Amino acid sequence: NAGVTQTPKFQVLKTGQSMTLQCAQDMNHNSMYWYRQDPGMGLRLIYYSASEGTTDKGEVPNGYNVSRLNKREFSLRLESAAPSQTSVYFCASSESTSGSYEQYFGPGTRLTVT
Amino acid sequence: RKEVEQDPGPFNVPEGATVAFNCTYSNSASQSFFWYRQDCRKEPKLLMSVYSSGNEDGRFTAQLNRASQYISLLIRDSKLSDSATYLCVVTPYSSASKIIFGSGTRLSIRP
Repeated sequence: NAGVTQTPKFQVLKTGQSMTLQCAQDMNHNSMYWYRQDPGMGLRLIYYSASEGTTDKGEVPNGYNVSRLNKREFSLRLESAAPSQTSVYFCASSESTSGSYEQYFGPGTRLTVT
Repeated sequence: RKEVEQDPGPFNVPEGATVAFNCTYSNSASQSFFWYRQDCRKEPKLLMSVYSSGNEDGRFTAQLNRASQYISLLIRDSKLSDSATYLCVVTPYSSASKIIFGSGTRLSIRP
């Protein structure tokens, strides 16, 4: 089992460029999440998807869009990258969004915006 | 005040020592609590859930104090491999948008 996979692992963008981070899970989980992690700030929720076909904003959604393509895949798009979006991005999945279920994380994407 | 606060450390202890750290939370309605472990430049992984009655998993013990609104993690007989950052996670029962991760406590075990 691969668990949660993310691509790419590293990316450098110039300000104003766009890109899509890909995430897939093979655990048949209903819920998927995108987080960003910055030094000293813990993980912050960008968007989540409780189930296929639904998406909701988290704590820091500005500057991002998401697509839940099917049950397996949940992508995160930066339309016009800004230096403030330099961060490590983690995708996660869980059985449900009730909060009582373990979240499984992908290996992360390290994004630098110059 | 942050919703979830952890001492960032680093805690630097010798192998075999017992170490404990706390995590305080501000939302008294919080229902679920977890400790995750994150190795350097890796993803977080669940270490253990925290139950009201307290729970133990080998050398690790987690406790919840609802009255004082904190959870704790105790590591006994620490190993070099325990060196990592420990994240506490606090969440209301019903809302993914309210899952809050602490910023982590860094633990370093020296030989």
